[in-house]
Amino acid sequence: EAQVTQNPRYLITVTGKKLTVTCSQNMNHEYMSWYRQDPGLGLRQIYYSMNVEVTDKGDVPEGYKVSRKEKRNFPLILESPSPNQTSLYFCASSNWGIETYEQYFGPGTRLTVT
Amino acid sequence: GENVEQHPSTLSVQEGDSAVIKCTYSDSASNYFPWYKQELGKGPQLIIDIRSNVGEKKDQRIAVTLNKTAKHFSLHITETQPEDSAVYFCAASLRSGGYQKVTFGIGTKLQVIP
Repeated sequence: EAQVTQNPRYLITVTGKKLTVTCSQNMNHEYMSWYRQDPGLGLRQIYYSMNVEVTDKGDVPEGYKVSRKEKRNFPLILESPSPNQTSLYFCASSNWGIETYEQYFGPGTRLTVT
Repeated sequence: GENVEQHPSTLSVQEGDSAVIKCTYSDSASNYFPWYKQELGKGPQLIIDIRSNVGEKKDQRIAVTLNKTAKHFSLHITETQPEDSAVYFCAASLRSGGYQKVTFGIGTKLQVIP
């Protein structure tokens, strides 16, 4: 089954404790992104990757890091989480060409930073 | 950068009635306009999309219209059913540095009352 998986689905942590949210896709997609979803703000892009070892900042990259060492994996790293990073996070992948611009989203990770 | 405004933020309709969600965008270079549906506890899923060279597209009970001159596009759902209850996101997308940048609206929570 074609899918994007994220782990963990729920996470409660304390300020300053480094954490990683994993994302994996099995569709051999080149493009992957991380978004955060907050009430009244919609989906905002944090980082994206066009291929292995190619990443770039989205609209709200502060406080986050990413890496793309393998095509299927795109982990999101919070080196020193703060309460304002409490949010719902989504990973997405796509294989954009001339006609295909669809993004496939994971199930989400709800993060609470106290 | 691109700015997408979406309204209303919440919408309640009686089962069987129609629902309309409207979005405007700011960058005339945007060439692709997807609509995503997010059910409770899940990631967004593409339901319909339209390209800038098309004015209208229909898929069963859902349709999208695009007015490039006015820079607005709309989602129309006819004969609404309880399973249409969800959050709907519009988005505008443009090519930027080899990447299809996508900007989302804030979302519309649709409630279909049986």
